[in-house]
Amino acid sequence: SQQGEEDPQALSIQEGENATMNCSYKTSINNLQWYRQNSGRGLVHLILIRSNEREKHSGRLRVTLDTSKKSSSLLITASRAADTASYFCATDAYSGAGSYQLTFGKGTKLSVIP
Amino acid sequence: DAGVIQSPRHEVTEMGQEVTLRCKPISGHNSLFWYRQTMMRGLELLIYFNNNVPIDDSGMPEDRFSAKMPNASFSTLKIQPSEPRDSAVYFCASSLRGPNEKLFFGSGTQLSVL
Repeated sequence: SQQGEEDPQALSIQEGENATMNCSYKTSINNLQWYRQNSGRGLVHLILIRSNEREKHSGRLRVTLDTSKKSSSLLITASRAADTASYFCATDAYSGAGSYQLTFGKGTKLSVIP
Repeated sequence: DAGVIQSPRHEVTEMGQEVTLRCKPISGHNSLFWYRQTMMRGLELLIYFNNNVPIDDSGMPEDRFSAKMPNASFSTLKIQPSEPRDSAVYFCASSLRGPNEKLFFGSGTQLSVL
């Protein structure tokens, strides 16, 4: 079952603009991760934010986490055509089978127009 | 390091045939994951190994699916017999110590069952 859900499902912006994607989840987490997937490729890890952190930066990426609202956002500043990809949030959730699982949302498809 | 290596990259087979997907995780990683990605269901965890031992196979769809990890550097996912609804991209991923850390994904195997 899906733990996280991204919003919007698709986003189209001009190069140079900022892109914001949101993720909501249902149960408490230890951490939340964001991944990028280029068409036809595997997922690439972008950033991990722990439940006791509120904000994290990596280059042009800024991630926030609000555990009271069970939500996170990924901001990409000064977007480039190369940022065109699908972006997924992933949360660790107890699977009920004795372990934690990293479950992924269905992703936001970002298109950056040159 | 070469990253997570999956083979084959593409597999086309007929319904009823046996399919074997292979994965070599990153050296030194203790955890290995098999995920399946479809448009309808997104990314689903099939099975997770830690130190070569299956920890959580609650995502394996049915008895037609089986996975093994005979040693720390090799895993297989087998489907026997295959069905058209098994058509998907199958990803293998590894991490240092489990699902609470960042995952490194392979390039995936695109499986088409006719």
